Amino acid sequence: DTGVSQNPRHKITKRGQNVTFRCDPISEHNRLYWYRQTLGQGPEFLTYFQNEAQLEKSRLLSDRFSAERPKGSFSTLEIQRTEQGDSAMYLCASRPGTEGANYGYTFGSGTRLTVV
Amino acid sequence: GNSVTQMEGPVTLSEEAFLTINCTYTATGYPSLFWYVQYPGEGLQLLLKATKADDKGSNKGFEATYRKETTSFHLEKGSVQVSDSAVYFCALSEWGNTPLVFGKGTRLSVIA
Repeated sequence: DTGVSQNPRHKITKRGQNVTFRCDPISEHNRLYWYRQTLGQGPEFLTYFQNEAQLEKSRLLSDRFSAERPKGSFSTLEIQRTEQGDSAMYLCASRPGTEGANYGYTFGSGTRLTVV
Repeated sequence: GNSVTQMEGPVTLSEEAFLTINCTYTATGYPSLFWYVQYPGEGLQLLLKATKADDKGSNKGFEATYRKETTSFHLEKGSVQVSDSAVYFCALSEWGNTPLVFGKGTRLSVIA
């Protein structure tokens, strides 16, 4: 297993277009998280899944954003009608589903979105 | 709500200097604490963690001690190297299902 994989690494899109990012977590991890990171800031939580169930969404996740994790494996994050303010690094992370806060997350390298 | 406050960067040090990056937290319960590192062009990597008061996390010469009385988790290294240049993030997770909450990060530059 090579860790958490995110594609594409970079995406440039025109304002108003839709974009979709993919995350492949570590195979035995049943929890998957999406974060957004803007320049000079720490990662901000967007949403997370336990298996295929989306359990929590941040208020940052406007109705233009949607995330799925069919079959509890890979996940996609779609942004509709992109705005310049959506430009950021989108990070995916996974961790084992074992209860307890003791486990750190494994992060992917991220997808950098630039909206022009 | 839960939050993490880190000292602002950038921090610039000479090789072999002593490093401290301050981190304090606010939590309603009893969180686990983490330090993550982000090297240029890469994702975040877990550097070290501590899950209860007075625990010391350590890795690659870095250390941090969970201080409940001062709600702090300061990162230290006795002798930094150029290869330690990166952005360091302090984070907390309060209990099993709550997502990690990150500080804003501190950029460290080590010069030879």
